[in-house]
Amino acid sequence: SQQGEEDPQALSIQEGENATMNCSYKTSINNLQWYRQNSGRGLVHLILIRSNEREKHSGRLRVTLDTSKKSSSLLITASRAADTASYFCATDAGDVDSNYQLIWGAGTKLIIKP
Amino acid sequence: EAQVTQNPRYLITVTGKKLTVTCSQNMNHEYMSWYRQDPGLGLRQIYYSMNVEVTDKGDVPEGYKVSRKEKRNFPLILESPSPNQTSLYFCASSLEGTSGSYEQFFGPGTRLTVL
Repeated sequence: SQQGEEDPQALSIQEGENATMNCSYKTSINNLQWYRQNSGRGLVHLILIRSNEREKHSGRLRVTLDTSKKSSSLLITASRAADTASYFCATDAGDVDSNYQLIWGAGTKLIIKP
Repeated sequence: EAQVTQNPRYLITVTGKKLTVTCSQNMNHEYMSWYRQDPGLGLRQIYYSMNVEVTDKGDVPEGYKVSRKEKRNFPLILESPSPNQTSLYFCASSLEGTSGSYEQFFGPGTRLTVL
């Protein structure tokens, strides 16, 4: 089942600009994670934000979480060519008895033009 | 170095020929998982394991088997592969798996083609 949906599906910006990607989900959650995937390679964890947090920073990354709107955004500031990748959000299954799964969106493909 | 390893990285096989993709982690993680990734569909979970000898189905378990006899290893078995199992497969592990509380560490992926 698909919980998170990223928006936009693809994004192309100039190097140095900021990139914003959004993730919407359907059920209540405990945690939301963002991952990056370079073409055909394994995913790399970026940030985990808990449901009682509203914002989190890591270097040039800023993640926000709005549980009332069931949405999160990932902002990459001062983008670089090396940020070219696909970005995925993943959430847990929320308030269920067996909550051992991460549920993934289809991803946003980000291209940084030099 | 903390890592998740998968083998083989690339495999071309024929319909019906049993195969195993190995996965190993050196971080003493309790939780391990297998995903498949297909264009436009994102990551879909095949099976996961909360600890040794404890496994459960994910969203797309049909045609796959797993076992977790030791904490570090979590092999994925395709008893009779079919062309619709052509995909990019990822193994992942995390300290534990409850409520998505911990980051997952991913292997490099196995690209499988079934002819």
